[in-house]
Amino acid sequence: QKEVEQDPGPLSVPEGAIVSLNCTYSNSAFQYFMWYRQYSRKGPELLMYTYSSGNKEDGRFTAQVDKSSKYISLFIRDSQPSDSATYLCASFYGQNFVFGPGTRLSVLP
Amino acid sequence: DSGVTQTPKHLITATGQRVTLRCSPRSGDLSVYWYQQSLDQGLQFLIQYYNGEERAKGNILERFSAQQFPDLHSELNLSSLELGDSALYFCASSPTGGYDGYTFGSGTRLTVV
Repeated sequence: QKEVEQDPGPLSVPEGAIVSLNCTYSNSAFQYFMWYRQYSRKGPELLMYTYSSGNKEDGRFTAQVDKSSKYISLFIRDSQPSDSATYLCASFYGQNFVFGPGTRLSVLP
Repeated sequence: DSGVTQTPKHLITATGQRVTLRCSPRSGDLSVYWYQQSLDQGLQFLIQYYNGEERAKGNILERFSAQQFPDLHSELNLSSLELGDSALYFCASSPTGGYDGYTFGSGTRLTVV
């Protein structure tokens, strides 16, 4: 079992839709959680960072962590074609981040 | 531009050869991380250096080695290359332990033929 799991998609939605991206993790020692966005052939860029259970909002993006069920979510409101990318969740434990395999999102105009 | 510079951007080489990938971290960042990304494996952590010293090791093959120099730039050496080593290699940096997030470079695409 991988330590961080994601549905690889691809996920296609129409422009303006609310997108829900989800991850589960297996190690209850994971403390910090992040979402990265990766455009094709580019390096991942940090979108959201959170430590505690609950919600964190930044513009159209909301990150949600439920440590009791080991569940991480990213919601994108009013999705745009420019949001089309692969979204990676990551959990930090010890010395480094463990990344999920990523979910490929396509937002269709 | 993320501030993390990786060279070269593309590399094509033959099996059995050795290559060196270079990374300059963001100004002020002491930690450097190397990741390998392939289609079927996702982002796999290879190794971390902090201020010149090896801090953590992941799934790095014995044919691979890395170092961080006094000016904090880092090099990843890949030797006896195999077809399966073809992948994107990313370097990332962070100011300290990394728990507040990494900044990634744009990667080096390695193709072994």
